[in-house]
Amino acid sequence: KQEVTQIPAALSVPEGENLVLNCSFTDSAIYNLQWFRQDPGKGLTSLLLIQSSQREQTSGRLNASLDKSSGRSTLYIAASQPGDSATYLCAVDNNDMRFGAGTRLTVKP
Amino acid sequence: DTAVSQTPKYLVTQMGNDKSIKCEQNLGHDTMYWYKQDSKKFLKIMFSYNNKELIINETVPNRFSPKSPDKAHLNLHINSLELGDSAVYFCASRTQSITEAFFGQGTRLTVV
Repeated sequence: KQEVTQIPAALSVPEGENLVLNCSFTDSAIYNLQWFRQDPGKGLTSLLLIQSSQREQTSGRLNASLDKSSGRSTLYIAASQPGDSATYLCAVDNNDMRFGAGTRLTVKP
Repeated sequence: DTAVSQTPKYLVTQMGNDKSIKCEQNLGHDTMYWYKQDSKKFLKIMFSYNNKELIINETVPNRFSPKSPDKAHLNLHINSLELGDSAVYFCASRTQSITEAFFGQGTRLTVV
């Protein structure tokens, strides 16, 4: 059974900092990995999808990497802004999507 | 147009009642999911379903049953509601293991 862990559970940074969120998984036989953000009381918004054959994906200030062999993914956020404050979730696909518990990010003005 | 829509957004009901939550996607995806997000905000998969196979998470009580009238809909029916069923339920869809998944806005269920 796939287990997904996200570290840290919470992170608070001043505006402008670059930061890294971590996601690890126990079963490396995945099809893909997806990063989401969730704002309080809202649904999930897809940020990046990395297929198992890819090493990274970029969208604006976001860059996600995938190392299947070590069971790890990172989400890099450059030049963080207060609007980035949210919970970030990674989901690993082994034929269904299993989530980590998320990282709650606060970016202070 | 909303890609994945759930109704209702809020549902307050008494213990023992039977209720349904509806989910519709207009993306042409072949796989739909139901997730439960508990008070600690952890998202737990309940069901995944495509036109070939229903996969049930073994920890889901049999009071919960998904019903799919067609590929665009996957409704969640809950019998004999209990206090512990209070949570936010999310529907999602994708083309299995290929495309990104899209989520609905969630249904906040409160059992009193």
